[in-house]
Amino acid sequence: DQQVKQNSPSLSVQEGRISILNCDYTNSMFDYFLWYKKYPAEGPTFLISISSIKDKNEDGRFTVFLNKSAKHLSLHIVPSQPGDSAVYFCAAATNAGKSTFGDGTTLTVKP
Amino acid sequence: DTGVSQDPRHKITKRGQNVTFRCDPISEHNRLYWYRQTLGQGPEFLTYFQNEAQLEKSRLLSDRFSAERPKGSFSTLEIQRTEQGDSAMYLCASSLSDNPEQYFGPGTRLTVT
Repeated sequence: DQQVKQNSPSLSVQEGRISILNCDYTNSMFDYFLWYKKYPAEGPTFLISISSIKDKNEDGRFTVFLNKSAKHLSLHIVPSQPGDSAVYFCAAATNAGKSTFGDGTTLTVKP
Repeated sequence: DTGVSQDPRHKITKRGQNVTFRCDPISEHNRLYWYRQTLGQGPEFLTYFQNEAQLEKSRLLSDRFSAERPKGSFSTLEIQRTEQGDSAMYLCASSLSDNPEQYFGPGTRLTVT
């Protein structure tokens, strides 16, 4: 029973265009949703988060949208840059702190 | 503070041997987490500590796995009688108790032959 799902294993976009990464979850008890970025041979790095009481959070080129009724969140990267090429993990957390991760989406931004 | 560190970065062991990994979290973080990651999957929760107390352990974690955080600072993860299925990347993360953001170490890659 996978509580957090990223249905697209990979995504390829052109530099300067928008990247949209999607994530679905099943447990309505999650309090926070987070996105992490991972480069090869490194641990995941926190990127952006959103509380379950909000529907949008923006940080520079990165925006996360939360649709609680659909149990869906997305990460928008605008404009995409080649350095954004990495694996992106969606995670959902409770107030207790434990996070449940999706299986990741590999983003490739082509120059 | 240089972030979360893990030692060793790589470990190759023969089936049936015991292995121990160490994690040093960010010094002011009171929560410490262990995850396991296999190829093509996201990090899978194993256990976590708040200070020295182990608050939750995954049902998927067999009795061969044990973790400690004796003084509420560094933590160790021991796997006894290793099996080939234990081959994975073992990730450690830390956080403050009032913040869901976790800071990950580089991981320890375990290969069981």
